[in-house]
Amino acid sequence: AQSVTQLDSHVSVSEGTPVLLRCNYSSSYSPSLFWYVQHPNKGLQLLLKYTSAATLVKGINGFEAEFKKSETSFHLTKPSAHMSDAAEYFCVVNPNQAGTALIFGKGTTLSVSS
Amino acid sequence: EAGVAQSPRYKIIEKRQSVAFWCNPISGHATLYWYQQILGQGPKLLIQFQNNGVVDDSQLPKDRFSAERLKGVDSTLKIQPAKLEDSAVYLCASSSRSGTGGYNEQFFGPGTRLTVL
Repeated sequence: AQSVTQLDSHVSVSEGTPVLLRCNYSSSYSPSLFWYVQHPNKGLQLLLKYTSAATLVKGINGFEAEFKKSETSFHLTKPSAHMSDAAEYFCVVNPNQAGTALIFGKGTTLSVSS
Repeated sequence: EAGVAQSPRYKIIEKRQSVAFWCNPISGHATLYWYQQILGQGPKLLIQFQNNGVVDDSQLPKDRFSAERLKGVDSTLKIQPAKLEDSAVYLCASSSRSGTGGYNEQFFGPGTRLTVL
């Protein structure tokens, strides 16, 4: 079965400090992996995606993630947090089978303090 | 380019009542998805359409939920009768295609927040 586990339900950082949101995945196939962000009362927005090309993926707003097959991980990082980064972040797997939709983790709430 | 549109944005009903949600995907997107997001959880797929055909409805509670996409464009999701545990945000998403050969980004609407009292 395909699944993702987000290891932290809540992460708090200070503005200007690094962000690390952790995600482990389980997939029987070569998966596609994504990070989505959801700001309050707004729709889900794709931050970045891994689809078997480069293992280090750069996304929008300075975020990046590294696919590590040996560790089955796809952690999201950003060197310097901004107040506007406060939101809910979802690690997502697409098992890469025909007709299969996205499988979401439970989410990590990122809080940024000044 | 216009995004995925959903209405209503909010709905409050009593248990055992009926409710319907509407979704208009991005123009030209053949694949449409309905997700349910319960508070504190990630979205869970309810049903996936490819044009006007159902691709996956394995997680749709068919005794009370139904969905249609008659002309391969707009879609309606209905709950009849509603239960307290149906309180959630219902998200609609669309993509240009699905299946093997590469992933196509799913674009999400703002969602409909349903409260069942």
